[in-house]
Amino acid sequence: DAGITQSPRYKITETGRQVTLMCHQTWSHSYMFWYRQDLGHGLRLIYYSAAADITDKGEVPDGYVVSRSKTENFPLTLESATRSQTSVYFCASSPANWGTGELFFGEGSRLTVL
Amino acid sequence: QKEVEQNSGPLSVPEGAIASLNCTYSDRVSQSFFWYRQYSGKSPELIMSIYSNGDKEDGRFTAQLNKASQYVSLLIRDSQPSDSATYLCAENYGGSQGNLIFGKGTKLSVKP
Repeated sequence: DAGITQSPRYKITETGRQVTLMCHQTWSHSYMFWYRQDLGHGLRLIYYSAAADITDKGEVPDGYVVSRSKTENFPLTLESATRSQTSVYFCASSPANWGTGELFFGEGSRLTVL
Repeated sequence: QKEVEQNSGPLSVPEGAIASLNCTYSDRVSQSFFWYRQYSGKSPELIMSIYSNGDKEDGRFTAQLNKASQYVSLLIRDSQPSDSATYLCAENYGGSQGNLIFGKGTKLSVKP
């Protein structure tokens, strides 16, 4: 029962580099999300996806790119990393039935941009 | 601008006491509300959801919703040191999975 896994768990990169954070879920959940969590801001939605090949912007999408060619994978790419993108990134998934409102979160990826 | 406001704390209570966590929201059309618990260095996990005015109880946890006052609270009875965590309030204002907004969280510390 792997659930939802993120990789890498820790990443240090330099300004201007491209970085991809991976997210994989084994539940076949329709919805997947990327959040970032920063002190003083809480959790903020970057992008979400309702199904394969369907993605939509969240609250803070600038500087990020997502794709979802398969239901189980939802990678997040920082095309040219900036220091302001230093954060903890959480991937989450949710079944199509929104009745419980439950998001299942991955363990997080801590990204530092120098 | 839709917002969810929480007191950042830390809120400190003795073991066995009732911990009261509060949350206000700005959007009157918000439909459903959630409390997530996040231990330090870990990911959030859902502990309570509430959709209707009034109280909802689950074990030691009680969620309270007052839509007229735009106020949500979480009561933790018989608080335990293992309850020490940050509690995130979230609202779903649009009925879509993508419309979940989180507060910044309240840090709770339960002292033995």
